[in-house]
Amino acid sequence: ETGVTQSPTHLIKTRGQQVTLRCSSQSGHNTVSWYQQALGQGPQFIFQYYREEENGRGNFPPRFSGLQFPNYSSELNVNALELDDSALYLCASSNRDGLYEQYFGPGTRLTVT
Amino acid sequence: QKEVEQNSGPLSVPEGAIASLNCTYSDRGSQSFFWYRQYSGKSPELIMFIYSNGDKEDGRFTAQLNKASQYVSLLIRDSQPSDSATYLCAVRVYGNNRLAFGKGNQVVVIP
Repeated sequence: ETGVTQSPTHLIKTRGQQVTLRCSSQSGHNTVSWYQQALGQGPQFIFQYYREEENGRGNFPPRFSGLQFPNYSSELNVNALELDDSALYLCASSNRDGLYEQYFGPGTRLTVT
Repeated sequence: QKEVEQNSGPLSVPEGAIASLNCTYSDRGSQSFFWYRQYSGKSPELIMFIYSNGDKEDGRFTAQLNKASQYVSLLIRDSQPSDSATYLCAVRVYGNNRLAFGKGNQVVVIP
């Protein structure tokens, strides 16, 4: 186990709705990265948070937004859900001030109908 | 050109044999390379990382890095049925803090 937790485990939403996913990072880690993994594909980088600030963003529209809190936990918010947002959302914890290995949480499976 | 490319198609190996996986990357400035194992329905698990040219061994796993040729490989010795999974190659993008992933290679170990 990595010590990275995510909630909820599964979620079913309707197109147009909004969703918030949560992640708690591993002890000693100050950086959280979010990835989207579609079926049969590798994870795609959404964005990263370091010390409560966005520290890099992938090719995702602004309706994907996030937060990091003082305890380094993080949220991913997605507005105006589309069918193509159905995927496994992964949170990865790392220590940007040290070695760069990223450790994933168990993921949240989002289904948009 | 994709940032990270892995061979497509499942790799079937008999139990006890060596599984060999390859990955190429496009950014010559990349310095950090990772292999993740992902079981069906689960999240990726970090199994190896390598930063220097050459080989790095950890138990039955060996990662090999050749920066001049821009490829990374993973060898799994004495393959076990529990090694059956998808293996993801990831590269830290130079000048950035994100990881770029390949599509993954499925390995099936046949008892």
